[in-house]
Amino acid sequence: NAGVTQTPKFQVLKTGQSMTLQCAQDMNHEYMSWYRQDPGMGLRLIHYSVGAGITDQGEVPNGYNVSRSTTEDFPLRLLSAAPSQTSVYFCASTRYREGAEAFFGQGTRLTVV
Amino acid sequence: AQKVTQAQTEISVVEKEDVTLDCVYETRDTTYYLFWYKQPPSGELVFLIRRNSFDEQNEISGRYSWNFQKSTSSFNFTITASQVVDSAVYFCALSVYGGATNKLIFGTGTLLAVQP
Repeated sequence: NAGVTQTPKFQVLKTGQSMTLQCAQDMNHEYMSWYRQDPGMGLRLIHYSVGAGITDQGEVPNGYNVSRSTTEDFPLRLLSAAPSQTSVYFCASTRYREGAEAFFGQGTRLTVV
Repeated sequence: AQKVTQAQTEISVVEKEDVTLDCVYETRDTTYYLFWYKQPPSGELVFLIRRNSFDEQNEISGRYSWNFQKSTSSFNFTITASQVVDSAVYFCALSVYGGATNKLIFGTGTLLAVQP
C-alpha cells in the first residue's frame, strides 16, 4: 500500500523556471492538500482540494497553482520559481471526515537558486 | 483566528529521562481536533494521536502519554524513559470544524534530541 507518493524527492531550479510537484494517493481520500515547511515556521497550507474539480487557497498560495482532475492526483505547479520558494513541500491526503488524520507524502526538498 | 504555539524550540535530554513537549492552542470554535505528529530525521511526518475538544481524557500509549486540558488550552505530550529513537521534531496541530475542510494549523515544532 503506497499511501501518498510525491515526486521528485529533490529538485534544484533556477529563478524564473517553472515546474510541477507530483502527488498521488491510493487511499481514495477526498481531501488533499499541499504544505510547505520552513525552518522555525512549522508547516503552512498552500492549497487544498475537497474533491475532483474543487480547489481552494490556503495560507500561502501566491506563486503556486493547483488542479484536481482525479481523486488520486493533486499536482502543485510553481509558475515562476523564486528563491523564497526554497522549502520542503509536503502533500497530504485525508478522508473527508471531521477530525480525520492526514497522511503525508515523503516530501520534496526544493531549492531555487 | 486559530493558532498553535510550541514555545520549546529545542530540547535535549539523556536517554531514560522523561520529557514533556508543550502545546498551547487558540481557537474560538467549540468543536476542534488536536493532533501530534512526529518527524524523524528521515523527514516523513508520522501521525501519533488525535483528540477532539469534547474528550479531555488523558491518553497513554506505551511510553507516550498526552494531557489535554481545555481550561489552559493545552495538549502536552510526555515521553517516559526516552530513547534515542525518539529523537525527532514533534509538531502539534489544530483542526477546526467548519465545512469539513480538514485544514491543519501547525505549531512551529519542537526538536527533541535524546543523547545516549
